[in-house]
Amino acid sequence: DAKTTQPTSMDCAEGRAANLPCNHSTISGNEYVYWYRQIHSQGPQYIIHGLKNNETNEMASLIITEDRKSSTLILPHATLRDTAVYYCIVRGVNDYKLSFGAGTTVTVRA
Amino acid sequence: DGGITQSPKYLFRKEGQNVTLSCEQNLNHDAMYWYRQDPGQGLRLIYYSQIVNDFQKGDIAEGYSVSREKKESFPLTVTSAQKNPTAFYLCASSIAQGGNQPQHFGDGTRLSIL
Repeated sequence: DAKTTQPTSMDCAEGRAANLPCNHSTISGNEYVYWYRQIHSQGPQYIIHGLKNNETNEMASLIITEDRKSSTLILPHATLRDTAVYYCIVRGVNDYKLSFGAGTTVTVRA
Repeated sequence: DGGITQSPKYLFRKEGQNVTLSCEQNLNHDAMYWYRQDPGQGLRLIYYSQIVNDFQKGDIAEGYSVSREKKESFPLTVTSAQKNPTAFYLCASSIAQGGNQPQHFGDGTRLSIL
């Protein structure tokens, strides 16, 4: 029961912005959009989350469309260390567990 | 530095043996979780705890046990009843349980069978 759809993979150039899309067309009003990433053989790392408004922190920006059916994670200046699998997740306010889909494998190239 | 520490990083289990995976957090989080991650698969929840001295079974609790005697510690025991224990085990914590609270993860313990 996939709640999100992401591209399987994408490449980006070091130093450029990386824009990662995610579709969540069935999202409901009390569900949050989360982004995590997982570097090989490490635990998942929380990046950012939002409900309606765009959000920014020290790692990334999250842009959510007005209808909330899609979002974009922006890594402003990609580095080689940003190479990872990125997961877009939708979580309801009462959801106590995380469920990852296949994610997007992002490769940052020098 | 605040964070979640899992140990050991690698663990080997013999047939019929119970093993315990450690998870410690110094983030002052109330909620803690154990997940299992198998190659090419997503996360599966084993157990979770909202508060000290309380824990609940997740989706795949059979063959596992936990305790939550202290706020900062949530050890997981993989018992001999777990017939397919080889996996990457991840511990997470959050300020409170709920979808508006991000979960933060440790670096995992990789368990293999000898």
